[in-house]
Amino acid sequence: NAGVTQTPKFQVLKTGQSMTLQCAQDMNHNSMYWYRQDPGMGLRLIYYSASEGTTDKGEVPNGYNVSRLNKREFSLRLESAAPSQTSVYFCASSDRGGGWNQPQHFGDGTRLSIL
Amino acid sequence: GENVEQHPSTLSVQEGDSAVIKCTYSDSASNYFPWYKQELGKGPQLIIDIRSNVGEKKDQRIAVTLNKTAKHFSLHITETQPEDSAVYFCAVGAGANSKLTFGKGITLSVRP
Repeated sequence: NAGVTQTPKFQVLKTGQSMTLQCAQDMNHNSMYWYRQDPGMGLRLIYYSASEGTTDKGEVPNGYNVSRLNKREFSLRLESAAPSQTSVYFCASSDRGGGWNQPQHFGDGTRLSIL
Repeated sequence: GENVEQHPSTLSVQEGDSAVIKCTYSDSASNYFPWYKQELGKGPQLIIDIRSNVGEKKDQRIAVTLNKTAKHFSLHITETQPEDSAVYFCAVGAGANSKLTFGKGITLSVRP
């Protein structure tokens, strides 16, 4: 009963390098999300996918791309990493239906440092 | 866009006392109000949520109350224990196709 699994857990990159953060959920949820968490800033939405085949920008999308590979997997790519992207990245998933927001379930994060 | 604020930013209570954390929001169309607990090195975990058609919800030592007129909702933790020490986030949503907007979080410390 894994829930939301993120890989890797830690990563150090040099400025300009590229990297893909992986996220998979086993709850058969339709919607998936990528957030970044910075000290004193709470959780800010980068991109989300309301359902398989769709992706939309969130609050802070610049410098990132996403791919909804299938219903289970949603990846986040940094094409050219910058020090300002040093952060903790969280993936989340939720069900859809009933006309209401549904609870979001989070992974344990990827801690990314860019030198 | 939605503006979500949490008060206070830090809170320290004695074990056994109650803790109350308040969250205010700006969009009157918001109708979903979850609270998340985040322990060190972990992702946020949903602890309780409430929808706009309900004024209060309880789950053992935890309760959430909603005041739609004043646009605020509060997390109440009774008989606090050291394991309640964590960062707590409130969030606000406005319907099935909307995103959640999170507050900046509050650090709760429970002194033994």
